[in-house]
Amino acid sequence: DAGVTQSPTHLIKTRGQQVTLRCSPKSGHDTVSWYQQALGQGPQFIFQYYEEEERQRGNFPDRFSGHQFPNYSSELNVNALLLGDSALYLCASSFPDYQETQYFGPGTRLLVL
Amino acid sequence: RKEVEQDPGPFNVPEGATVAFNCTYSNSASQSFFWYRQDCRKEPKLLMSVYSSGNEDGRFTAQLNRASQYISLLIRDSKLSDSATYLCVVTPSGGYQKVTFGTGTKLQVIP
Repeated sequence: DAGVTQSPTHLIKTRGQQVTLRCSPKSGHDTVSWYQQALGQGPQFIFQYYEEEERQRGNFPDRFSGHQFPNYSSELNVNALLLGDSALYLCASSFPDYQETQYFGPGTRLLVL
Repeated sequence: RKEVEQDPGPFNVPEGATVAFNCTYSNSASQSFFWYRQDCRKEPKLLMSVYSSGNEDGRFTAQLNRASQYISLLIRDSKLSDSATYLCVVTPSGGYQKVTFGTGTKLQVIP
């Protein structure tokens, strides 16, 4: 049973560029949440997708957007990258009624230069 | 005040010691509470849920104090493998649950 997978594992971008991160949820899960984890901090909730719609959003600017596909996989897009966007981006999947039991992927490490 | 606060540590304890972490939360309507463990450069993994009556899983005991709005994690007989960052997680009531993580408490168990 495959767990949550994310790609790429590492990424280096420059300021102003755009990036797309990808996530495939654990088998059977249809809810995907994205988090940003800066060094030394806890994960910060970006948004959550269910049934291909964003249904909850944290305190992140509109530069952060996402998408969920019919197969429940998801993308996180970040436009106009800033140095402060450098972080570990985590994807977590769950069942819709048991969101607390989230399974995390290994994350994508993004470095913005 | 942050929604969820934890002492960042690090807590340096010898093997076999007992160590306890606290986590305070600001939203009195919070309904679900959890402890996650995160190893260095790895993803968080669920350690245990925290119930009102308290719960135990081997050497780990979690408790919830709603009146004072904090949860705790007790680790007995610490092992070297317990070295990690422990993240407190709080979710509100309602259908859509926005999960809030604390900043984590780093534990280093020393031989």
